[in-house]
Amino acid sequence: GQNIDQPTEMTATEGAIVQINCTYQTSGFNGLFWYQQHAGEAPTFLSYNVLDGLEEKGRFSSFLSRSKGYSYLLLKELQMKDSASYLCAVRGRGGYQKVTFGTGTKLQVIP
Amino acid sequence: DVKVTQSSRYLVKRTGEKVFLECVQDMDHENMFWYRQDPGLGLRLIYFSYDVKMKEKGDIPEGYSVSREKKERFSLILESASTNQTSMYLCASSYRGDFQPQHFGDGTRLSIL
Repeated sequence: GQNIDQPTEMTATEGAIVQINCTYQTSGFNGLFWYQQHAGEAPTFLSYNVLDGLEEKGRFSSFLSRSKGYSYLLLKELQMKDSASYLCAVRGRGGYQKVTFGTGTKLQVIP
Repeated sequence: DVKVTQSSRYLVKRTGEKVFLECVQDMDHENMFWYRQDPGLGLRLIYFSYDVKMKEKGDIPEGYSVSREKKERFSLILESASTNQTSMYLCASSYRGDFQPQHFGDGTRLSIL
């Protein structure tokens, strides 16, 4: 099975950088995903890591270390609209490679 | 613009009723998913379908069934609704090779009284 941990809540200041961590224990690993979910809205896909290292996409970057079972999402130049929940999800191996979600990190950006 | 559409945004039903939640996608995706989202528990997979008439149980299928008669439509059925099925239900879809959900619907907030 999969076990995914991420902080429940974080607060950061507009214009700053924030790092949201995700650790996982899994019986098989085939990729890690980050989603953004604004309150009352559907999740939207942000990023995908399957190999170790950093993937950069504009103000957002995602990092993966498979040996440590660790990922982070880095948000730069924070904007008020970045206030949302950020969901970490892990895809397993075999069969239909089921994806398991963490409980999400609620980020509040303050002026 | 790609779209996953859920039939209702809010729904109130009574204990013991049979409840149907409908989801339609216009992206010709092979995979479709039903999740429920509860505070402190995150998104949990109920069922998914990788093709017409095909289905696989997720982590919490008990009390639910699904139907996929057409590629674009995936229905979630609560056979006999109970209060512990009060939740936000999210439908999602993706292409055949992507086992992660790619596009989500806006969700149905279901209350069972």
